[in-house]
Formats: sequence, C-alpha cells, structure tokens
Amino acid sequence: GDSVTQMEGPVTLSEEAFLTINCTYTATGYPSLFWYVQYPGEGLQLLLKATKADDKGSNKGFEATYRKETTSFHLEKGSVQVSDSAVYFCALIGRMYSGGGADGLTFGKGTHLIIQP
Amino acid sequence: DAGVTQSPTHLIKTRGQHVTLRCSPISGHKSVSWYQQVLGQGPQFIFQYYEKEERGRGNFPDRFSARQFPNYSSELNVNALLLGDSALYLCASSSSIAGGQETQYFGPGTRLLVL
Repeated sequence: GDSVTQMEGPVTLSEEAFLTINCTYTATGYPSLFWYVQYPGEGLQLLLKATKADDKGSNKGFEATYRKETTSFHLEKGSVQVSDSAVYFCALIGRMYSGGGADGLTFGKGTHLIIQP
Repeated sequence: DAGVTQSPTHLIKTRGQHVTLRCSPISGHKSVSWYQQVLGQGPQFIFQYYEKEERGRGNFPDRFSARQFPNYSSELNVNALLLGDSALYLCASSSSIAGGQETQYFGPGTRLLVL
C-alpha cells in the first residue's frame, strides 16, 4: 500500500536558519503530494501541494518540489521564524478508482519543528 | 466563509460506551472525510463520503460507522469504545470526491478520551 516516510524530530533550529524536512513516499501511479502543518491544539492546515512530477508548491516562504525519480517531496524554507514552530506532515493521495471510489490521505508520522529565538 | 466545524471539541467516555461526532463541511463542499490521529502519530483515514454515499474506507473495525446528510454534514459513530480509541478525530471537506487534485480542508478536531 501507499506509505510516507519523513524525518522524525524534534528538529531544533535557530531563528533565520535554513530548514529542510525530508519526505519520501511509496505509491502506485502518480499521487498528489501535500505538506500540512499543525499548530499546538489545532487541526491541520494545508501548507502547499503539488499534483504532478516537477511541480513546485510554495506558500509563506516554504517550498517543495515533486521529484518522481527520487519519490521525494522535501520541504524547505530559507529563513525560519519562531512562529514556524509546529508539527509538519507530509501526505499523499492517490487517484480515484474507476468505480468512483477513493482513498483518503496517507500521512507520515510528522516532524516537530522547534525554532529558538 | 466559515471553515470546517466539528462538535464537540472535547469528549470523555468510558469503555463500552458509544460516541457520535459531528462535522459540518465548508459551504459548497460535498465530500467529507474522517481521520483518527493518535497522539504523536499522523492522521489515519477512516471514511470518505461523497453525495451521501460511502466512497472510501480505511482499515478500521466495524465498530466505526458514518453517514452523510442531505446538507452534506456528517456524523462519525463509534460503538463499544476501547481505550485505544482515545484520539483526535479530524473531519476534512473537499468540493468534490477527494483524490487526485482535490484538496482536503481540515476542521479543528474532536478530542476523545476513553477511560
């Protein structure tokens, strides 16, 4: 079945440091890829997405590129802020079945990011 | 516009009881999906409903059931609660059946504690 593997934290960085959170996936066909962020006590917020190979998703200074050859979707940000402290989830969803059925998102275990001032 | 709303926000039950969780999707969205997030883990897919029909089911026992109403709101029911059912239950909505390019938008969740 589909699976997502992401680096486990916590990842602790200083403010203005460069961020990379690795994510690799296993899936049949051509899934869509997502990064979601979860702040303490809250639900998930979509951060960015990419729906086909070589697409780059970007939002709020975060970027991730859909790399089919390496089955990866690493999250990057050039200069992190204290307000970026949260748990980040990489996720994928496959295509719909021919009969109209669909699976849900498959998530990684999450990476807890801590930014120190 | 309001986002996805869920009720209640918190719930405490005892083993063997039954629980009903509720979700209202974003206005205009016709698909609702349910996820279970155990502490320290990523969410796991339970169900997807679209146009009041079940379109997808994850690897959960038959104690878990759901339905979608004509106004596209949804209920998740869990019978015979176990301690292991303690989790954050997330509802997500999308404008069409989730798959491919559809984005799912999540509610704040219902935190269930089973004692």
